[in-house]
Amino acid sequence: VHLVESGGDLVQPGGSLRLACAASGFTFSGSWMTWVRQAPGKGLEWVANINEDGSAKFYLGSVRGRFTISRDNAKNSLFLQMNSLKDEDTALYYCAKDMSTAGYQYWGQGTLVTVSS
Amino acid sequence: DIVMTQSPLSLSVTPGEPASISCRSSQSLLHSNGNNYLDWYLQKSGQSPQLLIYLGSNRASGVPDRFSGSGSGTDFTLKISRVEAEDVGVYYCMEGLETPKTFGQGTKVEMK
Repeated sequence: VHLVESGGDLVQPGGSLRLACAASGFTFSGSWMTWVRQAPGKGLEWVANINEDGSAKFYLGSVRGRFTISRDNAKNSLFLQMNSLKDEDTALYYCAKDMSTAGYQYWGQGTLVTVSS
Repeated sequence: DIVMTQSPLSLSVTPGEPASISCRSSQSLLHSNGNNYLDWYLQKSGQSPQLLIYLGSNRASGVPDRFSGSGSGTDFTLKISRVEAEDVGVYYCMEGLETPKTFGQGTKVEMK
């Protein structure tokens, strides 16, 4: 299993960014997927997850309405569209394979999003 | 949202000695199916988190048997029977029962 995030960048408050996670080594279309973030020097924070076919999506309250999780099963890719970014969204964003009841066994290396003027 | 509270927040351990971390949830993580939806993760410096324990007491693949998880309902414990140098890092519990899933604050484990 291999997960590789990309798309992190420095962006101004109010700006937008789209993160991607390229998956390989497993049946991507058969797995829930999750985004987790970690602000510099802080703990882990669950952000959003999506079911196998993209019909069910769930969000952290503070990002609901600003972030959109999506996936392209044909391309084995997970996305996080982030709009109206705030300083407090600055973090390393990880994608993780959701093992349902068996936790997050596989994580990417993360992509850094910095929101600053 | 469920609030997860870990203690202690830092722990200095002697190699070869046991160590224990507590995690308490603001509501029961015991599902009607009999499973406790509580995971433990270790994040070593500069690395992504790694799963240690899922459903309260099940060791993830490749996790040494010196790690064990116990507890039910709202009170859980991660135990390391004999701490090794490679066990240093920050340990997090996470509830998997509800969405959004929530993590504890983390417990930093270092060697004496």
